[in-house]
Amino acid sequence: GAGVSQSPRYKVAKRGQDVALRCDPISGHVSLFWYQQALGQGPEFLTYFQNEAQLDKSGLPSDRFFAERPEGSVSTLKIQRTQQEDSAVYLCASSLAVGGATNEKLFFGSGTQLSVL
Amino acid sequence: AQSVSQHNHHVILSEAASLELGCNYSYGGTVNLFWYVQYPGQHLQLLLKYFSGDPLVKGIKGFEAEFIKSKFSFNLRKPSVQWSDTAEYFCAVSVNYGQNFVFGPGTRLSVLP
Repeated sequence: GAGVSQSPRYKVAKRGQDVALRCDPISGHVSLFWYQQALGQGPEFLTYFQNEAQLDKSGLPSDRFFAERPEGSVSTLKIQRTQQEDSAVYLCASSLAVGGATNEKLFFGSGTQLSVL
Repeated sequence: AQSVSQHNHHVILSEAASLELGCNYSYGGTVNLFWYVQYPGQHLQLLLKYFSGDPLVKGIKGFEAEFIKSKFSFNLRKPSVQWSDTAEYFCAVSVNYGQNFVFGPGTRLSVLP
């Protein structure tokens, strides 16, 4: 597609429910990032993939959060046993950078707004 | 750990006024600096970036930013704002070849017609 696509756009979950958020990056983009953005805050880094390799997951807040990108394209962020504090917008971004070159520009999706009741 | 601070949470200006949004970062090594903008209802998009060379960088829509290394600052400026500049502005720093981008908390700009 023309841009980074995320689905669903909105997700309402009951506390304790598992959720899966999907990201379709721009075709050919090597790098993929997940960010969490709480209301009134800037995006907070969660994890980074280079192709299928998860090179940095230092931002994942707990072991309830899990991300994968098995074929180096589509990525899924899974949150198990959701809590109210997980309510936020989850942003996905991709970048073309290859071969260790610097990621110069991130292309963001519109995000998934997760509300945990 | 790297961090980015933005001086103002919400700025309100009239059209044609000049704009300066402050950004400071904390990191001792080589950094790349960015300003991203989020217009109402739209996704985040790149406004401008600094990697090396001339510390005064120009971006889209008449925006520019100046990197002052001694002050760890990367302030965003525009000589004359328009109503269409109403948006949220985020300063960001990347390290480790762009494998980690750290964003500031954002500044909401409201331009009154």
